[in-house]
Amino acid sequence: AQKITQTQPGMFVQEKEAVTLDCTYDTSDQSYGLFWYKQPSSGEMIFLIYQGSYDEQNATEGRYSLNFQKARKSANLVISASQLGDSAMYFCAMRTLSGNTPLVFGKGTRLSVIA
Amino acid sequence: DVKVTQSSRYLVKRTGEKVFLECVQDMDHENMFWYRQDPGLGLRLIYFSYDVKMKEKGDIPEGYSVSREKKERFSLILESASTNQTSMYLCASTTLGQGAKDTQYFGPGTRLTVL
Repeated sequence: AQKITQTQPGMFVQEKEAVTLDCTYDTSDQSYGLFWYKQPSSGEMIFLIYQGSYDEQNATEGRYSLNFQKARKSANLVISASQLGDSAMYFCAMRTLSGNTPLVFGKGTRLSVIA
Repeated sequence: DVKVTQSSRYLVKRTGEKVFLECVQDMDHENMFWYRQDPGLGLRLIYFSYDVKMKEKGDIPEGYSVSREKKERFSLILESASTNQTSMYLCASTTLGQGAKDTQYFGPGTRLTVL
């Protein structure tokens, strides 16, 4: 079974600064994918970034990057140059790539960006 | 663009009522999922379906059932609503086999209140 742990229920960051949201995972599978989603107050889930377990380089998508440390089983999300619109809930998720499996989500981190 | 729609954004029902939550996707996805989201608990999988008329229990199926009569539609049914089923319900879909980067696409959510 897979498990995602997000230890930060809430975080604050100053506008234009970088912030790291923590995510650790547990799985016995060798082939898996890690995902980050953003959920603004409107409620929709927005896919941000993906990292495969065999990807050698850390994933990046614009201001988002994923700090993947396989040995530590961590997949932290880094947001650079925070903007007020980044205020939202952020969820880390994973699934194994063997078979047709659903995503398993962490409990989320609420990020508040302060002007 | 993938579109996942849910029949209602907000719903208020009384204890004991039978409740139907409808989800429709327009991308011919084989896989569909129902999650519930509660503060501090993240997203928890209720049921999922890999094909028409097929269903699999997720982590918290008790008190719920599902129906998938057509590929594009996945319904969540609360046979006899209870107050502890007050929650945000999110539907998602994705392609069969779920290639490494195939993320799940989410609907806007239905916020259900059971009085």
